[in-house]
Amino acid sequence: DADVTQTPRNRITKTGKRIMLECSQTKGHDRMYWYRQDPGLGLRLIYYSFDVKDINKGEISDGYSVSRQAQAKFSLSLESAIPNQTALYFCATSDAIAPKGLFFGPGTRLTVL
Amino acid sequence: DQQVKQNSPSLSVQEGRISILNCDYTNSMFDYFLWYKKYPAEGPTFLISISSIKDKNEDGRFTVFLNKSAKHLSLHIVPSQPGDSAVYFCAASPAGTALIFGKGTTLSVSS
Repeated sequence: DADVTQTPRNRITKTGKRIMLECSQTKGHDRMYWYRQDPGLGLRLIYYSFDVKDINKGEISDGYSVSRQAQAKFSLSLESAIPNQTALYFCATSDAIAPKGLFFGPGTRLTVL
Repeated sequence: DQQVKQNSPSLSVQEGRISILNCDYTNSMFDYFLWYKKYPAEGPTFLISISSIKDKNEDGRFTVFLNKSAKHLSLHIVPSQPGDSAVYFCAASPAGTALIFGKGTTLSVSS
């Protein structure tokens, strides 16, 4: 079984709809992250959480919100989706920033029409 | 402003030759640097890392070099194999927060 799972894997939605992307992990890590990948822009941080009571904005948090429901679950919401939020979204976990770095999920491909 | 820069979007190398991927950074407070590899339809996977107190770290065919005075690191893959074809991301760790990634370099290794 995968250590970091993301649901759904693919989603097509319309402008203005509310979307939730879910992430769960079995690695027992305290830290969880949401990144998005766009062609030519690399991986950009949306939100991160170092424990259940800790939520921090990343460099591109506008238009997104998150919820850390438990140590193992971290969800990302788009309150009112817009086309420029079309991207590949990755959840990641870590027990420390270094040296092992992040463990990524398989990604969710989101298309906003 | 980008704190981690990968200025070469792509690199093509023949099988058996050396691949050199470069990364520059601007923040002298970064204390750890990592390389990730990403295949299509998969999440990035950790490849190799280096602490700011070292200038070289080696793991099999992969070696990372750090030049702190130049704020530059590079990943060497020797010998390159077709299975190494992927997107490579450089990342840096500012203390107490999340990793910052570069834009990635797409490596193509031809047989």
